[in-house]
Amino acid sequence: QVQLVESGGGVVQPGRSLRLSCAASGFTFSSYGMHWVRQAPGKGLEWVAVIWYDGSNKYYADSVKGRFTISRDNSKNTLYLQMNSLRAEDTAVYYCASSSLGIGAFDIWGQGTMVTVSS
Amino acid sequence: QSALTQPASVSGSPGQSITISCTGTSSDVGSYNLVSWYQQHPGKAPKLMIYEVSKRPSGVSNRFSGSKSGNTASLTISGLQAEDEADYYCCSYAGSSTYVVFGGGTKLTVL
Repeated sequence: QVQLVESGGGVVQPGRSLRLSCAASGFTFSSYGMHWVRQAPGKGLEWVAVIWYDGSNKYYADSVKGRFTISRDNSKNTLYLQMNSLRAEDTAVYYCASSSLGIGAFDIWGQGTMVTVSS
Repeated sequence: QSALTQPASVSGSPGQSITISCTGTSSDVGSYNLVSWYQQHPGKAPKLMIYEVSKRPSGVSNRFSGSKSGNTASLTISGLQAEDEADYYCCSYAGSSTYVVFGGGTKLTVL
């Protein structure tokens, strides 16, 4: 079935790095843009980054620009988020999502992976 | 502070209809017919309910409908049911520099 599974979350100290992965199955991963969206505990959704279907374009929220890098490996049906210089305010559940129905229409979501930035 | 403004909470009785507003600017909601709505139950991932202002993905009940006027988009849920109780988020494309913005979310309580 159509599925996105995130992994790589955990507890990390401020200033350190972490890489999240998102494994896709059940749909043509290489045909669609992919996003990371996060949700801090008890807060709303915040869009983080997008990568086009072929990796040719990437966009980031101002809050993570210069620190986070989105990438994908279409041969492995996997999306990544490299997070550097982590801050306490990056603490959140990180979801990957696909946008097969167009810009901003996140139709498939993973279950999320928790990232906690704390000393 | 979220880019799109939603009421913090709305409520309604079973069978009634409710509407959730989502106010943006001429740089996002007002400029693009790329507004989407998401339903999120506690501890679960969001679910797409409406995209491109008023389109429903396959499998979403026709009790959910969307519209837009100027800088404000709206989600209407008719025939409220207990399982509709959840948080709802609007989202809009905002151009290539900002890309996508979410609303702060609205908690729907079914009385």
